[in-house]
Amino acid sequence: DTEVTQTPKHLVMGMTNKKSLKCEQHMGHRAMYWYKQKAKKPPELMFVYSYEKLSINESVPSRFSPECPNSSLLNLHLHALQPEDSALYLCASSQDNTRDGSQHFGDGTRLSIL
Amino acid sequence: AQSVTQLGSHVSVSEGALVLLRCNYSSSVPPYLFWYVQYPNQGLQLLLKYTSAATLVKGINGFEAEFKKSETSFHLTKPSAHMSDAAEYFCAVSRGGTASKLTFGTGTRLQVTL
Repeated sequence: DTEVTQTPKHLVMGMTNKKSLKCEQHMGHRAMYWYKQKAKKPPELMFVYSYEKLSINESVPSRFSPECPNSSLLNLHLHALQPEDSALYLCASSQDNTRDGSQHFGDGTRLSIL
Repeated sequence: AQSVTQLGSHVSVSEGALVLLRCNYSSSVPPYLFWYVQYPNQGLQLLLKYTSAATLVKGINGFEAEFKKSETSFHLTKPSAHMSDAAEYFCAVSRGGTASKLTFGTGTRLQVTL
């Protein structure tokens, strides 16, 4: 069982819909991440939050809006997505006091845009 | 800039045979190196990590990797493959620290045959 929980596991939405992805961890980690993974490709970093503040935005389109309400939760709000946004969205977290910054991943949300 | 190169997008071995997955890194600073495994429809699971404490790193599921600075390599090995090892394997590099970026290789799909 993973210690990073993502919901929903699957999501199908139209291009005009608004939906949100949720990520939760209770390991006391203070850094949280969103990745996008297309089939047969490595994960691509989208956003990084450190101590609940956005520290890295990898030039992600504004139709993706991250939010970190507290140290355990990370949301990704979706609006007006395009078919090419269909992918596996992975959340990860890491401790704030380790040298190596190793990240723990959730099982992801598989998103399909109609 | 940091990067990793995984040689071979697809590796096939017989059950019981040696597994060798290759990873070479490029880094201007001492790197932190990771191997992650991804099973179908799941997130990434950390197999092992190199943090400069020891050059031979042992991980979960019988895997190990050796850091060779002279060859800028961090190859993953397992003496005897099992059917359950079939998965996608990603090598990754990081500068370390809180909220640090992971840079992934392109991945190697391991197939295990009877």
